[in-house]
Amino acid sequence: SAVISQKPSRDICQRGTSLTIQCQVDSQVTMMFWYRQQPGQSLTLIATANQGSEATYESGFVIDKFPISRPNLTFSTLTVSNLSPEDSSIYLCSVVDGVPKQYFGPGTRLTVT
Amino acid sequence: EDKVVQSPLSLVVHEGDTVTLNCSYEVTNFRSLLWYKQEKKAPTFLFMLTSSGIEKKSGRLSSILDKKELSSILNITATQTGDSAIYLCAVVLGGGADGLTFGKGTHLIIQP
Repeated sequence: SAVISQKPSRDICQRGTSLTIQCQVDSQVTMMFWYRQQPGQSLTLIATANQGSEATYESGFVIDKFPISRPNLTFSTLTVSNLSPEDSSIYLCSVVDGVPKQYFGPGTRLTVT
Repeated sequence: EDKVVQSPLSLVVHEGDTVTLNCSYEVTNFRSLLWYKQEKKAPTFLFMLTSSGIEKKSGRLSSILDKKELSSILNITATQTGDSAIYLCAVVLGGGADGLTFGKGTHLIIQP
């Protein structure tokens, strides 16, 4: 399976600032996704990161708050903008490696103070 | 609205016991069901199940999908403390949307 890395692994940010999370895969993959896991909750899909075009967002998530880039088939970024304490979560990227199996990156733990 | 329900939400057993975790789903355009184990941050893939009904096995873990009942079970035999984790069930929808819809998970604790 693909090896996925995420940076940073954790961060503490001030309210009102932004955090950009990077997801790097060691091979080209067709589909990449971003998920959020709020404390004590399960994973919720934020968006599908599309290579060369705008991301496809799930209901309740908007581009202004969660801009996503995917410049090539091995890399994507998720920015969480205008941070509030409610954004404190684990953010995970995943890739499809042999549809429809998905493998997850190690995650980024964000705490907003 | 697509829904994935796991039960129980938490379970405490003793080492050596056998456990059965449940996952039921009500979704449009079902494609497959996946089980994951989450210990810290990243869920690790366990099994993928389809409507074929074929049981999947890996060591002490096994899983099967009942397409008539729209449900799946995950069995763990001879449990060990290292099995303590959150077990997540997720459904893949068809129609080109490959994002996963997750249940809330079962928090399994194995006591020595």
